[in-house]
Amino acid sequence: GAVVSQHPSWVICKSGTSVKIECRSLDFQATTMFWYRQFPKQSLMLMATSNEGSKATYEQGVEKDKFLINHASLTLSTLTVTSAHPEDSSFYICSARAAEPQETQYFGPGTRLLVL
Amino acid sequence: GQNIDQPTEMTATEGAIVQINCTYQTSGFNGLFWYQQHAGEAPTFLSYNVLDGLEEKGRFSSFLSRSKGYSYLLLKELQMKDSASYLCAVMDSGYALNFGKGTSLLVTP
Repeated sequence: GAVVSQHPSWVICKSGTSVKIECRSLDFQATTMFWYRQFPKQSLMLMATSNEGSKATYEQGVEKDKFLINHASLTLSTLTVTSAHPEDSSFYICSARAAEPQETQYFGPGTRLLVL
Repeated sequence: GQNIDQPTEMTATEGAIVQINCTYQTSGFNGLFWYQQHAGEAPTFLSYNVLDGLEEKGRFSSFLSRSKGYSYLLLKELQMKDSASYLCAVMDSGYALNFGKGTSLLVTP
């Protein structure tokens, strides 16, 4: 099946620094990529929808200036958490959707962020 | 928006059958998904329903009734490794997945 990778898988950083997370579709072109966040013992929450070559669409309550999303190519989307704070510590998961079948999404393995 | 409800926790015995229900209210619908998630890992795909009825895949089956906004996941011949969180998710008109809070299933000997 299709593979989506995320890098890094783990990151620990100091409060105030910025962290970039990469999401790559390895064997298909992703027309759309989605970014989710999951806090401990909670479900996945959609943060934003990213289409190649256009601005990301953010869900209500997600600060677009804090969570910068770039979808520069059909195989790569990046999420940058700017000026990270301890409350941003979470499990960040991306998914990628191919052109066909449209309903299929492939999840990356996730990135665990700990802000000290 | 989406409102997706499923039980928080369930417990069942090894070898038994368990049914996890999910109800939803949606402003757009492109199908309903069930995922399994073990702690600290990304969710893994179990099933997809877009038409009414039952989809069977090995020990797992999923049912959908669009008119009732209802789905269930049926797990047969439970194994200890089935202990996990089960997530019901509705795909909206933009193909994004909106997840329920998940049902934590504990399988006991």
